[in-house]
Amino acid sequence: NAGVTQTPKFRILKIGQSMTLQCAQDMNHNYMYWYRQDPGMGLKLIYYSVGAGITDKGEVPNGYNVSRSTTEDFPLRLELAAPSQTSVYFCASSYQGPNHPQHFGDGTRLSIL
Amino acid sequence: AQTVTQSQPEMSVQEAETVTLSCTYDTSESDYYLFWYKQPPSRQMILVIRQEAYKQQNATENRFSVNFQKAAKSFSLKISDSQLGDAAMYFCAYRSARGGNKLVFGAGTILRVKS
Repeated sequence: NAGVTQTPKFRILKIGQSMTLQCAQDMNHNYMYWYRQDPGMGLKLIYYSVGAGITDKGEVPNGYNVSRSTTEDFPLRLELAAPSQTSVYFCASSYQGPNHPQHFGDGTRLSIL
Repeated sequence: AQTVTQSQPEMSVQEAETVTLSCTYDTSESDYYLFWYKQPPSRQMILVIRQEAYKQQNATENRFSVNFQKAAKSFSLKISDSQLGDAAMYFCAYRSARGGNKLVFGAGTILRVKS
């Protein structure tokens, strides 16, 4: 019963490096989301997707890119890591329809030094 | 744009007592959904309770209940018979009934439970 799986759980990057945060769900959910959570703050939406091949920006998309080639996977890419991107990143998914709750992964803690 | 405000950065409650966490939101929409999520130290986001704006009746889930005041745009969470396992960060969240089911979160309230 995997649900939403995020990898890695922890990562330290140097400024200017790039990396991809992986997210996979096995619930056949159409909708997927990436959030970031800064210390002591709520989650802010980075990007979301309503189905394979469809993505859209959230509140804080700058510095990130996403793709959705399959229903299951929704990777988040950081091209040029900056200290401001130090955060905890959460992936979530849900069925279509506003009354369906979002299911969250365990998060990825990313530090940019 | 919608906003969610949680005015209590931190709250404390004695075990077995009742505590209420506050949440207000701002929206021009009439159809939406409201949620309370719990985030324990493990970081996992756990859905506690949800409320549909079109329903007048307040949602209840075991020891958790809400006081939904649509005109006042208020959505408070009441935890009865508090347990040590209730200690966590609690987030209030808003979702429009249209537009990709995106959640807008408040800044959170840390709940401490004293034994």
